[in-house]
Amino acid sequence: QVQLQESGPGLVEPSETLSLTCTVSGASITSSYWTWLRQPPGKGLEQIGYIYYNGITNYSPSLWSRVTISVDLSKNHFSLRLTSVTAADTAVYYCSTDPRTLEAWGQGTPVTVSS
Amino acid sequence: DVVMTQSPLSLPVTLGQSASISCRSSQGLVYSNGDIFLNWYQQRPGQSPRRLIYKVSNRDSGVPDRFSGSGSGTDFTLTINRVEAEDVGVYFCMQGTHWPFNFGQGTKLEI
Repeated sequence: QVQLQESGPGLVEPSETLSLTCTVSGASITSSYWTWLRQPPGKGLEQIGYIYYNGITNYSPSLWSRVTISVDLSKNHFSLRLTSVTAADTAVYYCSTDPRTLEAWGQGTPVTVSS
Repeated sequence: DVVMTQSPLSLPVTLGQSASISCRSSQGLVYSNGDIFLNWYQQRPGQSPRRLIYKVSNRDSGVPDRFSGSGSGTDFTLTINRVEAEDVGVYFCMQGTHWPFNFGQGTKLEI
């Protein structure tokens, strides 16, 4: 059974870059698409984007200019970079599996944007 | 973008009673291969979301058979029979047919 674990800094300064990694266990990263999502405090869920193991990506239209998702086959993990962050990017960030079905989720990592 | 509208947003229920949550999409959700990517998730307090139902009516492994999904076209429903205390949380529908894939606002189920 696939398991996912997010990791990265919990505090990012405004205008800086948010960087998170999702480590996949119980499955090869070559077996599926992989997704990043987020949930601002007290709000709903938003898909940020997804990646296939061969590097094909698709990003949310509202975030595409600031987002990069990449994959590292050797480490069986995928990563998120979000540039020029503001307070509006404060959220719990989740990684998950295929974006159409989101079968399994990581436990989530809270990220606060503040100086 | 497809808009997913859930109702009600707050759902007080009595233990042992049934509860239904509606999810309406602003356009049809049939994918090119005939699949309908409409899923339901449960988010208990302090936890990450957990998928309950995928492709309208398929229950995930380990999900009690008290949970069922139904619907077609643009109208979908999650039904919970014999509500238990452990069912407290927020329930989301999500469409995975038209990018960007998106969620309903969430329905908070309270005992």
